[in-house]
Amino acid sequence: QVQLVESGGGLVKPGGSLRLSCAASGFTFSDYYMSWIRQAPGKGLEWVSYISSSGSTIYYADSVKGRFTISRDNAKNSLYLQMNSLRAEDTAVYYCARREKYDILTGYYDYYYYMDVWGKGTTVTVSS
Amino acid sequence: DVVMTQSPLSLPVTLGQPASISCRSSQSLVYSDGNTYLNWFQQRPGQSPRRLIYKVSNRDSGVPDRFSGSGSGTDFTLKISRVEAEDVGVYYCMQGLTFGGGTKVEIK
Repeated sequence: QVQLVESGGGLVKPGGSLRLSCAASGFTFSDYYMSWIRQAPGKGLEWVSYISSSGSTIYYADSVKGRFTISRDNAKNSLYLQMNSLRAEDTAVYYCARREKYDILTGYYDYYYYMDVWGKGTTVTVSS
Repeated sequence: DVVMTQSPLSLPVTLGQPASISCRSSQSLVYSDGNTYLNWFQQRPGQSPRRLIYKVSNRDSGVPDRFSGSGSGTDFTLKISRVEAEDVGVYYCMQGLTFGGGTKVEIK
């Protein structure tokens, strides 16, 4: 079945780094845009970043721009988030989620799949 | 940037009674292709979000038919016709890169 599994979270000191991974299975990973969304304790959902199916288009929220780097390895069906210069306000559960499907032959974006599959999340705690 | 405003923040409901959540956007959500990509998500306590409704009114597979979405332009509504215990959680509307602030549904 279609599944996303995040890993790599943990406790890190302010200024430190972490690399999150998201392993995809059950679908053709290379056909889909992918995203990272986070949720601080007791708070709502916040977009962090997304990446196109080929990796050529990338978006970052202003709150993480210059500190976080999203990437993907389509051969390994994996999505990554490199987080540097971490701050206390980055403490959150980080979810990966599938976005729209892109047909490279037709240039068609299928938004039926937009945010239809989420992982269970991985917890990042930034504290001294 | 689009701002999505949900109301109410908290919604205590009696089991078996209806519930309604409003989502208003700061600008029209009609995309250039004529579609409105407004989605609703449910997040049960301790779980990750789950998409319930896509493109305003289409229920995802496995979503009970007591859930319905409606609206157009800038005003959208999620309705639960008869609330059940498993419906407790926080509901979010979302369009593009913007989530609403969430509405917490709880049982009275």
